[in-house]
Amino acid sequence: DQQVKQNSPSLSVQEGRISILNCDYTNSMFDYFLWYKKYPAEGPTFLISISSIKDKNEDGRFTVFLNKSAKHLSLHIVPSQPGDSAVYFCAASERGGGADGLTFGKGTHLIIQP
Amino acid sequence: GAVVSQHPSWVICKSGTSVKIECRSLDFQATTMFWYRQFPKQSLMLMATSNEGSKATYEQGVEKDKFLINHASLTLSTLTVTSAHPEDSSFYICSARDMGSYNEQFFGPGTRLTVL
Repeated sequence: DQQVKQNSPSLSVQEGRISILNCDYTNSMFDYFLWYKKYPAEGPTFLISISSIKDKNEDGRFTVFLNKSAKHLSLHIVPSQPGDSAVYFCAASERGGGADGLTFGKGTHLIIQP
Repeated sequence: GAVVSQHPSWVICKSGTSVKIECRSLDFQATTMFWYRQFPKQSLMLMATSNEGSKATYEQGVEKDKFLINHASLTLSTLTVTSAHPEDSSFYICSARDMGSYNEQFFGPGTRLTVL
């Protein structure tokens, strides 16, 4: 049973516009959430994270929003750039600090069109 | 920044043989490393948690006798796939927890295993 769900396998966005990637989770014990970017045949690269005590975290062009009551989080990328084209994974853990292995979603392939 | 390497990057082996994959943290010490597996178009699935100097903790459904994990030093963990079969063909990725960097695991580039 998928505890972290990314229901959009792919998303196409025009360069300069906002990209919004969504993620839902079912395990109420999850306390820490992360977004990773991944290119084919490479390991994931950390983008941004958020703990359950917050509802927003921002880092440059990347902002993550957490709605704990809805068990939903989203990643906003503004403005979208061609180099943002990649697969984005949402991940979650019960503890922060990298202490636990992560539960990943299936990923969303973001395509930025010029 | 924190760098994690894996070796080999890809390997092809015959069914029934064993394959060892190394995961190294190059510029930091990692008391905890994690091993994941990713099948095509699927998410990364956690296989086991590797702790330096102690036995690994395996996720439900992962055979500990088939996937041997050794974390002999603070910078090296190894995953040995014993008696490999074609269904073990997958992308294996490790991550390492940097104790100096809060809330972050750094991932290796992955190892593509193909069992013929």
